[in-house]
Amino acid sequence: DIRMTQSPSSLSAVVGDRVTITCRASRDISTYLNWYQQKPGKAPRLLIYATSYLQDEVPSRFSGSGSATDFTLTISSLQPEDFATYYCQQTYSAPMYTFGLGTKLEIK
Amino acid sequence: QVQLVQSGAEVKKPGASVKVSCKASGYSFSSYSIHWVRQAPGQGLEWMGMINPRGGSTTYAQKFQGRLTMTRDTSTTTVYMELRSLRFEDTAVYYCARDPYGSGWYFFDYWGQGTLVIVSS
Repeated sequence: DIRMTQSPSSLSAVVGDRVTITCRASRDISTYLNWYQQKPGKAPRLLIYATSYLQDEVPSRFSGSGSATDFTLTISSLQPEDFATYYCQQTYSAPMYTFGLGTKLEIK
Repeated sequence: QVQLVQSGAEVKKPGASVKVSCKASGYSFSSYSIHWVRQAPGQGLEWMGMINPRGGSTTYAQKFQGRLTMTRDTSTTTVYMELRSLRFEDTAVYYCARDPYGSGWYFFDYWGQGTLVIVSS
């Protein structure tokens, strides 16, 4: 199985900060990496697919990059609505997918 | 508009089974696979398995082999997830999600609202 390691597990920031979350795969997954945002009591929301493609209606302050085993999600200027938990997901081993353990982004 | 609407919350005893439904609408049912993901209280997302509505083929995570069955009814565009021999640690919110696998990329672009399953004696 491909294991996904996210860091940090939690992060405190203020509105306006630039934030980066990383995700590392246990082996080469090319660019089959997605990012989701989840708020309490809600289903996850797709932000970025295939490493760097922004899902429809997702603000452009979100961006993704990387390849092979190392990936990043960047929020260029944090907004109040961005405080949530973020998950990476590998889909290289389709149809068997795995998620990272999540990064909780909190208000400092 | 695309919608995945799941059945309501369930309370089950250990050893029992639960069957959760996910009704799809607003798109071509057979063109997207449906996956199930669960989330235990305060925990992360765990992929459980998937079904391809076109032919009904399934793939399950090793962890659930033998306890999990996914089926679909094309006449009602509904997918079902049945988990048997329930344990306390199966208490979680269960989500269905759509995967547009035909695009060549794989991701979950629409999710159901979630179904809380509580296993309690």
